[in-house]
Amino acid sequence: GQSLEQPSEVTAVEGAIVQINCTYQTSGFYGLSWYQQHDGGAPTFLSYNALDGLEETGRFSSFLSRSDSYGYLLLQELQMKDSASYFCVISGNTPLVFGKGTRLSVIA
Amino acid sequence: EPEVTQTPSHQVTQMGQEVILRCVPISNHLYFYWYRQILGQKVEFLVSFYNNEISEKSEIFDDQFSVERPDGSNFTLKIRSTKLEDSAMYFCASSESADSSYEQYFGPGTRLTVT
Repeated sequence: GQSLEQPSEVTAVEGAIVQINCTYQTSGFYGLSWYQQHDGGAPTFLSYNALDGLEETGRFSSFLSRSDSYGYLLLQELQMKDSASYFCVISGNTPLVFGKGTRLSVIA
Repeated sequence: EPEVTQTPSHQVTQMGQEVILRCVPISNHLYFYWYRQILGQKVEFLVSFYNNEISEKSEIFDDQFSVERPDGSNFTLKIRSTKLEDSAMYFCASSESADSSYEQYFGPGTRLTVT
């Protein structure tokens, strides 16, 4: 089977940096994606890592270590609008398999 | 910017009734998907569709469910004989290709309430 573990909730201060970790178990792994979902909204793609290392997209970065079955999403210069749920997702040549999500609350 | 659209935004139905949820994927995308999300829970894959046939489906997608692409733009999910536990948000998504399936574009969802 496939499973992902990520923290259920994280709180951080506006302007700070936060890291959301994700560990996974799967066979036939292709890559790890991150999706953002605001309350009442649809999941929105943020990033994808197929290879080990760091991918940077603006204020967001994502890291993958295939040997450790581990990844993280790093959000810098947090803004109030970043308050949302963040899902690590097993992805690639397979249907998306979502983790349970991490609810990020950004406080002033 | 092109987007996935879904109708209706909210559907209320009685237990045992049939519902059809509609989606218009992004026009140049080839792969289509349905997911559901029960309130407060994770997003769960239901089915993927390519070249007018189901390419993959989950355990959830049993005989109660069916999908169809009735014309060149619409993609539908039919749920027969709805049950209370079918109440959820249903998301349609699309991707350009199998290689880019990690980046799926989701519609705004249809909230299905079964009473």
